[in-house]
Amino acid sequence: KNEVEQSPQNLTAQEGEFITINCSYSVGISALHWLQQHPGGGIVSLFMLSSGKKKHGRLIATINIQEKHSSLHITASHPRDSAVYICAVTSLDRDDKIIFGKGTRLHILP
Amino acid sequence: EAQVTQNPRYLITVTGKKLTVTCSQNMNHEYMSWYRQDPGLGLRQIYYSMNVEVTDKGDVPEGYKVSRKEKRNFPLILESPSPNQTSLYFCASSPWGANEKLFFGSGTQLSVL
Repeated sequence: KNEVEQSPQNLTAQEGEFITINCSYSVGISALHWLQQHPGGGIVSLFMLSSGKKKHGRLIATINIQEKHSSLHITASHPRDSAVYICAVTSLDRDDKIIFGKGTRLHILP
Repeated sequence: EAQVTQNPRYLITVTGKKLTVTCSQNMNHEYMSWYRQDPGLGLRQIYYSMNVEVTDKGDVPEGYKVSRKEKRNFPLILESPSPNQTSLYFCASSPWGANEKLFFGSGTQLSVL
């Protein structure tokens, strides 16, 4: 079993829909990262969380440390949000190594 | 402009021919790291460095070397590349450690024939 699991693996939605991507992890962490990767493009850090909730524009990230779960929400989704979203954790159990989920491929239809 | 610069962007080489992928950051960051990204496997950490002259293995260090002689540079060295090292490689940095926001380079697509 992977130490960082994301769901869904793929998601197609209509423009304007509310999007939720989930991330569950099985290790102790000091931080959780949400990353965005556009096709053929580089990787951009969206959020770094250690507790609670963060908001940036239409993006909201939450984390529940007790349940070892995080969600990334996109409100009023737009075709330019189409990308792969990657959850990653900085592991306390493994000397601060970073462990990545396999990503969620999001496609927003106009 | 604050950035992480990787070179080259694309590289095709042959088995056994030593190569170096460079990574440089201009943000005075302490932490730097290397990752490879493969279809179906996602991103995996190769090596990381918390400070000058300090390096540690990630999940997949076999076949790779790194050095951190100065704060801004963290080159990835493949002494004898093999086809299973064909991958997309990313360098990243952060101010103090892996529990801070990461800044990624634009990636290096390596093909080993």
